[in-house]
Amino acid sequence: AQSVAQPEDQVNVAEGNPLTVKCTYSVSGNPYLFWYVQYPNRGLQFLLKYITGDNLVKGSYGFEAEFNKSQTSFHLKKPSALVSDSALYFCAVRPPNTDKLIFGTGTRLQVFP
Amino acid sequence: EAQVTQNPRYLITVTGKKLTVTCSQNMNHEYMSWYRQDPGLGLRQIYYSMNVEVTDKGDVPEGYKVSRKEKRNFPLILESPSPNQTSLYFCASSTRAAPGGEQYFGPGTRLTVT
Repeated sequence: AQSVAQPEDQVNVAEGNPLTVKCTYSVSGNPYLFWYVQYPNRGLQFLLKYITGDNLVKGSYGFEAEFNKSQTSFHLKKPSALVSDSALYFCAVRPPNTDKLIFGTGTRLQVFP
Repeated sequence: EAQVTQNPRYLITVTGKKLTVTCSQNMNHEYMSWYRQDPGLGLRQIYYSMNVEVTDKGDVPEGYKVSRKEKRNFPLILESPSPNQTSLYFCASSTRAAPGGEQYFGPGTRLTVT
């Protein structure tokens, strides 16, 4: 079955430190990969996506993600975390030849001052 | 401003009383979708539509109906709501013109069924 896993329910990091939010997927073929962020009482906002090409993609608010085909991973990263980055982050996968989007269960990022 | 709107934002109702949650987008997107968000389960797709008069079931369609009579609107209908449909609901839309087009989400509708 096609699925997305976010193994950490919560990630805690001090402001100024680098952060990583993990995502792995199980999808046949070459999927499209996405990260979305949800701030309290808001809908999801698109952060970045991987379609093809360079394995390191850059997105909004200084975030980037690294695609690793052999490990079927798409981890979200930021070199220096801000308190304002605290939110719920979702990884999502779109299998080839579909319009369906499969979401992970989400990871809550808490950045402490 | 490009956006997806949902109404109402909050709704408390009783078991069995039919309700409709509206969704509208102003981006001329072909694709629209409904999700529900529950703690520990992430977002699960209820129904989606690839264009007018074309709808299909997602992962959790039981107890829900949708229609797509116009490109901009995609209402979610609960004919006989039950307490297990208490959840946070999101509508989303995207273009199908570009490969890997990201989805735009509405602000959410928090539904409580007692």
